[in-house]
Amino acid sequence: GENVEQHPSTLSVQEGDSAVIKCTYSDSASNYFPWYKQELGKRPQLIIDIRSNVGEKKDQRIAVTLNKTAKHFSLHITETQPEDSAVYFCAASRGGSQGNLIFGKGTKLSVKP
Amino acid sequence: EAGVTQSPTHLIKTRGQQATLRCSPISGHTSVYWYQQALGLGLQFLLWYDEGEERNRGNFPPRFSGRQFPNYSSELNVNALELEDSALYLCASSLAGYVRYGYTFGSGTRLTVV
Repeated sequence: GENVEQHPSTLSVQEGDSAVIKCTYSDSASNYFPWYKQELGKRPQLIIDIRSNVGEKKDQRIAVTLNKTAKHFSLHITETQPEDSAVYFCAASRGGSQGNLIFGKGTKLSVKP
Repeated sequence: EAGVTQSPTHLIKTRGQQATLRCSPISGHTSVYWYQQALGLGLQFLLWYDEGEERNRGNFPPRFSGRQFPNYSSELNVNALELEDSALYLCASSLAGYVRYGYTFGSGTRLTVV
């Protein structure tokens, strides 16, 4: 079945450094790739997404890249801050424009001041 | 605008019992999704409902079931509870299953099976 692999499972960086989280997906029909941030005890919240017709998207300190040929996408956070500490989930859409999301197992990011 | 609401917030059940979890989507959203978040296992897809119909199901046993009502709210039922069913159950909604507009999650129901 459809699968999304996410690495690493934990990531610790110093404040101000960059963090990169990588995901691969198996469904060739996937065309939407969101990233969610979940702070401790809170609901997952969408932070950035990318569609299959775009290779890169930026939003301030956050960027996402997509390589459809290799079926992988990555989240890049620059100039990390302690408030970036959370669990990050990547996801890929199942099928075409309508469907459900398949999530990776998450990356726990710790930003040390 | 109200977000996705879930009830109850916490639920404690005994092994073998049944649990019922409820979700109200954002106004105008017709699709409801259920996910199980167990420790270390990420967000595992359970069920997707749209317009009252089950559209897709994850790799869970039949004792996990649900339904969607005419007002688009949804109910998740877990029968014959097992200890490993203890988890946070998250509901999300979207516009007619068009996931490219993203999901909005509720705050979840924490189910504890003892």
